[in-house]
Amino acid sequence: DIQMTQSPSSVSASVGDRVTFTCRASQGISNWLAWYQQKPGKAPKLLIYAASSLQSGVPSRFSGSGSGTDFTLTISSLQPEDFATYYCQQANSFPSTFGQGTKLEIK
Amino acid sequence: QVQLVESGGGVVQPGRSLRLSCAASGFTFSRYGIHWVRQAPGKGLEWVAAISNDGSNKYYADSVKGRFIISRDNSKNTLYLQMNSLRTEDTAVYYCAKEVATVTPSPFDYWGQGTLVTVSS
Repeated sequence: DIQMTQSPSSVSASVGDRVTFTCRASQGISNWLAWYQQKPGKAPKLLIYAASSLQSGVPSRFSGSGSGTDFTLTISSLQPEDFATYYCQQANSFPSTFGQGTKLEIK
Repeated sequence: QVQLVESGGGVVQPGRSLRLSCAASGFTFSRYGIHWVRQAPGKGLEWVAAISNDGSNKYYADSVKGRFIISRDNSKNTLYLQMNSLRTEDTAVYYCAKEVATVTPSPFDYWGQGTLVTVSS
C-alpha cells in the first residue's frame, strides 16, 4: 500500500501569511494527488486534484505542485476562513490513502 | 445540484451488523465510481471501500476486507455499505463520496454529510 506522510502535523499562522504544506508518497504516484480542506463537523472539501488543478469554485490563493513522491499545497495569503485541517490523498491506485492531516491554526 | 445523503448509522453492539445507505441526486449516478470514507472521533480520514460505476469492481481497505460489502443500485441511485462483525474500532462518521472523474480511482468532488456509527456494548 502507498503511505502518505504530511508535514507539519500542525502550523500556526496569521491572516495574510503565505503557508505551505508538504505531502510525501512512499512510492511514485505521478500526479495522482488531491488536497482537501476540512472544518470541524463538516465533510472534506476538494481543493486541488491532479496535483495542481484547482477545483471549480476554489479561490486562486490555493495552489498545488509536485509530481512523483513530493507534493505541496500553498495558500498565498491566508484568510480567516482558511483555518482548518488539510489532507492529501493519493488517487493512483487502490487502496486509496490519505495523509494524517495538517491542522492550520490561528497565531 | 449534486447531493449525497447517508443514512443508517446508529449504535450497535460488537459483532453485530449494520447497513448504511447513500442516496444520490443531481448527477448521472451510473457514470461515477462512489466511495465510503470514515473518520473516527478526533482522527483523520480513512478510505474504506469503493465501487465502480457499473458495480463490477469493488475495492476494500484491509481493515474491513471480509467484513464489509459495498454495493449499488443504479436504478435507485443508491449506494450501500453492509457492515458485518462490527468492532469497536469501526466507530466513526461514515461519508459517501463521488469521484470527480469517470475514471476509478479519482478524487472526490462531492461528499455526503456523514452518518455516525458507534460500536459499543
